[in-house]
Formats: sequence, structure tokens, C-alpha cells
Amino acid sequence: GENVEQHPSTLSVQEGDSAVIKCTYSDSASNYFPWYKQELGKGPQLIIDIRSNVGEKKDQRIAVTLNKTAKHFSLHITETQPEDSAVYFCAATSGGYQKVTFGTGTKLQVIP
Amino acid sequence: GAVVSQHPSRVICKSGTSVKIECRSLDFQATTMFWYRQFPKQSLMLMATSNEGSKATYEQGVEKDKFLINHASLTLSTLTVTSAHPEDSSFYICSATQNLGQGNQETQYFGPGTRLLVL
Repeated sequence: GENVEQHPSTLSVQEGDSAVIKCTYSDSASNYFPWYKQELGKGPQLIIDIRSNVGEKKDQRIAVTLNKTAKHFSLHITETQPEDSAVYFCAATSGGYQKVTFGTGTKLQVIP
Repeated sequence: GAVVSQHPSRVICKSGTSVKIECRSLDFQATTMFWYRQFPKQSLMLMATSNEGSKATYEQGVEKDKFLINHASLTLSTLTVTSAHPEDSSFYICSATQNLGQGNQETQYFGPGTRLLVL
């Protein structure tokens, strides 16, 4: 089955700096890679996703890159703000209503 | 984006009782819903996949007789924790898959979670 590794487990940045979270996956059949933000006591919220037919996707301050050859994908947050502080999960799935495999999570702390 | 709701958001029950958690897709039909369990400071663990009109598919190690799943309609799935014990205390999260209609592209949206505390 799919195995998703995520690094780092914790990340502290100064407000305004950039944050990068990296993930690797094992199943070459995976073709959909969502990223979720989870605030304390809440469910995960989809913030951005990328499919295997593109290498990069950007939405305002958030961008995701995908390297299918290396089976790497990364989340980039620019101009971080205190409200970006949360736990971020990467995930991978082969789609078609298949189950999503989550990474272990990264706790991001943005220091004002 | 699509909205998934869960009810209740928090429940406290006595050991030995059963608890039902509802998961609803509010503005789309979800052929497939998933139930997850999350322990503090850990990732989400998939418990089962729920398909409308058929039996749920449980992950290895999840007791189907303890965690009863019913997917009665395209917008509602329920998880019943039977004969709950303190070790069942956890954060339970459901998700629903929305088909965007663009080939084989589906997106999962998560509910807000239900905090279960068994005394």
C-alpha cells in the first residue's frame, strides 16, 4: 500500500518568512495530492491540491510542487502570518474514491 | 467549497453505552464517505470506507461489530460506537468525496470532527 512520509514534524518561522513542508510517497499509481490544514479541535480543511498531470499549482500565498519521478511533493507558504499556525497534513491517493493516505503532519508555528 | 457536517461535535457517555455520530454532505451527493479516528498529536487513521447502499469496508484491526457504519443515503453516513469503553475516547472525523465531473477527479472534504469521551 501507499506510504507517505512528511518532514519536518515541527516548524517555527518568523512572521513574513516562508515555510516549506516536504512529503514523499511510495505508490507510483498515486495521482492526487491534497494538502490539509487542521486547527486545534477541528477537522482538516483542504487548502490546495495537485494532480499528477501538473508540476506546480499556486493559490495566493500557497503553492504546491510535484515531482512524480522522484515521488516528492512540497507545500510552500510565503509571507506567513500568525493565522497560518496549525498542523498541516500532506496526503496521496490514486483517486477513484480510493482511500487517502496521510502524512504524519507538520506543526507550523508562525511567530509574530 | 463543499461542506461536510458532523453531529454531535462533542459527546460524553458512560462506559457500556452506544453513541451514534452523523456525517452529512450538505451541498453535494457523496457516493463514498470515510471515517477516521485521530489521537492527540497524531495523524488521521482510516477506520472504514462507507459506500451508499452497501456494506462498509473496514481497515485491518477495526472491529466492524463495534464500529457500525450505515450509509443510508447519498448525503448521510452514521458511525455507531457500540458498548463504548474509555479506550474508544478519541476524535472521530468523517469525509465525503465529491466528484467534480472532470474525468476521474474526486476531492475529499472533511467534517469538523466529533470529540468522544467515554467515562
